[in-house]
Parts: sequence; C-alpha cells; structure tokens
Amino acid sequence: ETGVTQSPTHLIKTRGQQVTLRCSSQSGHNTVSWYQQALGQGPQFIFQYYREEENGRGNFPPRFSGLQFPNYSSELNVNALELDDSALYLCASSLEWRGTDTQYFGPGTRLTVL
Amino acid sequence: GESVGLHLPTLSVQEGDNSIINCAYSNSASDYFIWYKQESGKGPQFIIDIRSNMDKRQGQRVTVLLNKTVKHLSLQIAATQPGDSAVYFCAENRPGNTPLVFGKGTRLSVIA
Repeated sequence: ETGVTQSPTHLIKTRGQQVTLRCSSQSGHNTVSWYQQALGQGPQFIFQYYREEENGRGNFPPRFSGLQFPNYSSELNVNALELDDSALYLCASSLEWRGTDTQYFGPGTRLTVL
Repeated sequence: GESVGLHLPTLSVQEGDNSIINCAYSNSASDYFIWYKQESGKGPQFIIDIRSNMDKRQGQRVTVLLNKTVKHLSLQIAATQPGDSAVYFCAENRPGNTPLVFGKGTRLSVIA
C-alpha cells in the first residue's frame, strides 16, 4: 500500500453534470499529480499541485480544475462532463515537485459518464 | 511527435521462466525512467527506476536495462510468478518541470 487514498471508488454521472474527486496524499508529501487513464491506455497527465499552487498542466481543457489544501489533500473537479471523460482518474503524491521524485499512486476513481 | 512506446503489447510466459518487457523512447534528452506495475482495479505501483547516468539497476527479482545509444529500456523479471501478471508501464521524465510521460503498457500473463 502506498498510503495514497482516493474517493469515491466508483462514480456514475450523466453528460453535463459536474464531479469532484478527492485524494489524500502520503504522509510528508507536498506534491500531488492527477492523471486520466482511459481503458487500455497509459495514464495521461492532467495537472500537478505543489504547496497549494498549480505547478504544471497537461493538455486538458479548463473545465478540468483542481485544488490542494494546507494538509496537501487534493480535489479534481470536472465541469460539463462529456462521454469521453469516462476513465480511471488517478492521483499520485510525491515528496517534492521534481520529476525524479518517485510518484506513488492511489487506487483511482472509476468515472462513468452516461 | 516524440513519445514513449512499447514493442510488445502482450506477453505470455510460463511460471518460473524469465520475462523481458521492452520499451522505446524517442527523446534523447530524457534523463529518468520508471517502471510501474498495474494490477486490475488498482493504481500503478512503482517497481524500479533508473537514471540516465546508469545502464543497469537491479532490484528484488527485477532488473532494468537502459541503452541510451538506441533509446531502449527493458524490464527483466526473474522466475516469473502468477502474482506478476499485470500491465507494465514504462514512463520517462524529460528535463525541466515536465510531467511523467507513460507508454501504453504491456500485459504480462503468467501461465501456471
């Protein structure tokens, strides 16, 4: 176990709705990264938060947004859900923001958009 | 465009045999590589990493080899066990404040 937890485990939404996914980082880690993993694909980077500030963003539209709290837990918010948003959403925490800091993944939240 | 990819999408091996999973990368400036294992219904699990100033690194039953000349990375699993059945991803880190880039993955199936 990595110590990274995510909630909920599964979620079903309909098109146009909004969703909030949550992540609790491993103790002592101040950086969290969010990834989207479509079925049969590798994780795709959404964004990273370091000490409550966005520290990098992948090729995702603005309706994907996030927050990091003082205790370094994090949220991923997706507005105006589309069918293609159906995926496994993973968060990963690391000690620092450097790419060479090992990222430890949570179990993911499976989002289905109908 | 430049990407991380895998030569073999699926691999079946007999229990007890050694497994070799391959990965190609195209950015010669990449300086850090990681192998992750992902079991069904779980998040990726860190296995082993290697920096570009090394060509080999060993862990428990696993070895990662890096050939910078041909931009190739491999993961060797010794005495493969049923518990090794999973999808394996290589990921590369490019210099600067850039995120990890994952390949599509190789599914390893261990035949008992």
